[in-house]
Amino acid sequence: ILNVEQSPQSLHVQEGDSTNFTCSFPSSNFYALHWYRWETAKSPEALFVMTLNGDEKKKGRISATLNTKEGYSYLYIKGSQPEDSATYLCALNNNAGNMLTFGGGTRLMVKP
Amino acid sequence: NAGVTQTPKFQVLKTGQSMTLQCAQDMNHEYMSWYRQDPGMGLRLIHYSVGAGITDQGEVPNGYNVSRSTTEDFPLRLLSAAPSQTSVYFCASSYSRGTALHFGNGTRLTVT
Repeated sequence: ILNVEQSPQSLHVQEGDSTNFTCSFPSSNFYALHWYRWETAKSPEALFVMTLNGDEKKKGRISATLNTKEGYSYLYIKGSQPEDSATYLCALNNNAGNMLTFGGGTRLMVKP
Repeated sequence: NAGVTQTPKFQVLKTGQSMTLQCAQDMNHEYMSWYRQDPGMGLRLIHYSVGAGITDQGEVPNGYNVSRSTTEDFPLRLLSAAPSQTSVYFCASSYSRGTALHFGNGTRLTVT
């Protein structure tokens, strides 16, 4: 079972602020890294899946980077909006790609 | 497409009762999995399947059985419910190992 740590656990920002969270892991021995967005009373929705060191992905105001050598991924949100309020989950696939281990998540609250 | 459909949405069981949580997907996905979500614990993998006829244990498999007789369906069976199985259960599927998961809407189970 891979160890996936996310920080911070929770974050309050003002509308318009840009913010970022961290996902860290001890080993570069994994198949893929995932980011999911989980709104209250809904199900997690996939944002990004990354596999290569140096990968960068972007969807609107949200982007993510992956550094497998130093064992971290960053998720960035530019100009946060109240609708960005959610829990953001990071997860790692093991080497075989058949097991996905989730971190504890970062809960983002954006105040209007 | 309906995506991933889970039933029931809510269930209350007494200790020792058995039940099956249903999960079906209509996206012809190879990979299916079951997670439980507990406060402070994040999502934990119970069982997964990489294709029809193939199942394997995840991080917390004890007390649960699964089968995958068709590509579409992946039911989770609780043979003798215990209060420790009180949780929210999510079924998820993906095109193949290591690709983005699509989650069902969850089943909230209470065991008294």
